[in-house]
Amino acid sequence: SALTQPRSVSGSPGQSVTISCTGTSSDVDGYDFVSWYQQHPGKVPKLLIYDVSQRPSGVPARFSGSKSGNTASLTISGLRTEDEADYYCCSYAGSGYVFGTGTKVTVL
Amino acid sequence: QVQLEESGGGVVQPGRSLRLSCVASGFTFSSHVMHWVRQAPGKGLEWVALIWYDGSDKYYADSVKGRFTISRDSSKNTLYLQMNSLRAEDTAVYYCARDVSDAGPFDPWGQGTLVTVSS
Repeated sequence: SALTQPRSVSGSPGQSVTISCTGTSSDVDGYDFVSWYQQHPGKVPKLLIYDVSQRPSGVPARFSGSKSGNTASLTISGLRTEDEADYYCCSYAGSGYVFGTGTKVTVL
Repeated sequence: QVQLEESGGGVVQPGRSLRLSCVASGFTFSSHVMHWVRQAPGKGLEWVALIWYDGSDKYYADSVKGRFTISRDSSKNTLYLQMNSLRAEDTAVYYCARDVSDAGPFDPWGQGTLVTVSS
């Protein structure tokens, strides 16, 4: 079953927003292999965060990840207009993977 | 640079078959687990299948188990997805993706190929 994310979150430029990703003991709470992807309309998903809180080179430091129990979170600090996109979490689940339901971030 | 390029999508009738291909370049293909991920129109991402380095292990989402088969040919740096008994709900853009370190993440992704199942 898909991980649960809020359908949408919004914020003004410069503000911070946090997206939650709730799973179970079989996925999010069972492994430290949670990743986050950003997808602009009509574009290919882009890796933002891996292994819960690691940032690939080239991803701005204002994107950060964390996890507590069965809930992972992505925080975008200093929101920028180009951050308006869909965001998906993903967790390793033993013999496969499960994605979150997706969250649309709107920059007001 | 690391690149993945899918092909093989198209319009197919329910119950028929289709094979997708994904050609990899810019990295040692045989050293990475590979995945297929799909996205139905206007919907979220769904993991479909993965294949181990040498093809020895394969795992599938419940939604495609028994109908789809993932495979790879390291001599051609190519990943495949054989899709049989297609259903309308299989309509989606299919992406191939490289596994960075055996338990994810997926990076990079190909540009995707659209499969439409319709009569």
